[in-house]
Amino acid sequence: QVQLVQSGAEVKKPGASVKVSCTTSGYTFTDSHIHWVRQAPGQGLEWMGWINPYSGGSNYVQKFQGRVTMTRDTSITTAYMELKTLRSDDTAVYFCARVGYDSGAFDLWGQGTLVTVSS
Amino acid sequence: ENVLTQSPATLSLSPGERATLSCKASQSLSSSLAWYQQKPGQAPRLLIYGASNRATGIPARFSGSGSGTDFTLTISSLEPEDFAVYYCQQRRNWPETFGQGTRLEIK
Repeated sequence: QVQLVQSGAEVKKPGASVKVSCTTSGYTFTDSHIHWVRQAPGQGLEWMGWINPYSGGSNYVQKFQGRVTMTRDTSITTAYMELKTLRSDDTAVYFCARVGYDSGAFDLWGQGTLVTVSS
Repeated sequence: ENVLTQSPATLSLSPGERATLSCKASQSLSSSLAWYQQKPGQAPRLLIYGASNRATGIPARFSGSGSGTDFTLTISSLEPEDFAVYYCQQRRNWPETFGQGTRLEIK
């Protein structure tokens, strides 16, 4: 079954870090980039960046530069997104998404991981 | 940044009616635009890619059109399950961006 399964909800204090995992199955992990998108409560979708599972190369939106790191472990076909120095406005659902080979769009999404930042 | 502006913000229609959603880009995208549907508590679902290509499993009542800076998502006859939020997305220019969304609600 082709799917992306994310880790569970997290509650963090301001200044802490969070690492969200995205475990893939049912397709060749290294064939498609993984992107991360977040959605604050009641808001729209915000694109954060991507990782190339084949090379490990990544690219991030300037807004998150210096705070976000996207990595992968090819042995367990899992991608990770770590966000540091958390603030209350980082409270959001974080999604991973796969780029479809034929579509060039995000054809497969994880279920989302709620990260709550609160003192 | 290529800003995507969706209109209207909210669209109130009844089942069986035709829905027309707009997405305007601040810079030309050729045909590199996708549409997604999102229901409460769920991840977005890809509907349309390349401006007019239906994704796998998407019903024929969904269609996309447009090129350059003006794009349209049309739902020919609304089914109860179509009431949701719709987003457009561009991946042609850095950074990749989404529109702010159109909420399609039952009238």
